[in-house]
Amino acid sequence: AQSVTQLGSHVSVSEGALVLLRCNYSSSVPPYLFWYVQYPNQGLQLLLKYTTGATLVKGINGFEAEFKKSETSFHLTKPSAHMSDAAEYFCAVNYNTNAGKSTFGDGTTLTVKP
Amino acid sequence: DVKVTQSSRYLVKRTGEKVFLECVQDMDHENMFWYRQDPGLGLRLIYFSYDVKMKEKGDIPEGYSVSREKKERFSLILESASTNQTSMYLCASRSTGNPKGYGYTFGSGTRLTVV
Repeated sequence: AQSVTQLGSHVSVSEGALVLLRCNYSSSVPPYLFWYVQYPNQGLQLLLKYTTGATLVKGINGFEAEFKKSETSFHLTKPSAHMSDAAEYFCAVNYNTNAGKSTFGDGTTLTVKP
Repeated sequence: DVKVTQSSRYLVKRTGEKVFLECVQDMDHENMFWYRQDPGLGLRLIYFSYDVKMKEKGDIPEGYSVSREKKERFSLILESASTNQTSMYLCASRSTGNPKGYGYTFGSGTRLTVV
């Protein structure tokens, strides 16, 4: 069964600092990987995705993530945090593009301090 | 802009009531999903549907049923609401035909309180 582990349920950074949110997955076949962001009292919004090709993917709002097969990781980064980045972030994996069912991590709440 | 619309943002129901949560998407997506989200438990899949009139149980289907009579609409039904079904409910859809993306589009959520 596929699974996703997000290390750290809460991450706090200062405004302007590097953001690093960790995600590891379990897989014996190539995965499709996603990061979603959820602002308070809203649904989830797709931030970026890895399907095939370039392992460094760029998303909205200056975020990027790198697929590292050898480490089974897909960590999310942003060079400089902004107050508006405060939200909950979810990593997700899907192994069968036609089955449609993703498995989500438990989420990481990002706090940005002024 | 493409959308997934959930009929209610906030809902308060009494224990034992039959509750309908409606979700409509305008993207002609084949797949639709219902999740519930609780603090510390992440997103848990209740039911999903591959296509019209097709449905499959997710991880926590007990106490719920679903209906998908039309492609754009996926309804979640709480047969007899209980207080442990108080939660945020999220609907999502996904296309199987888009070669560039397989991510979900989510609705804004329905926060259901059962009293």
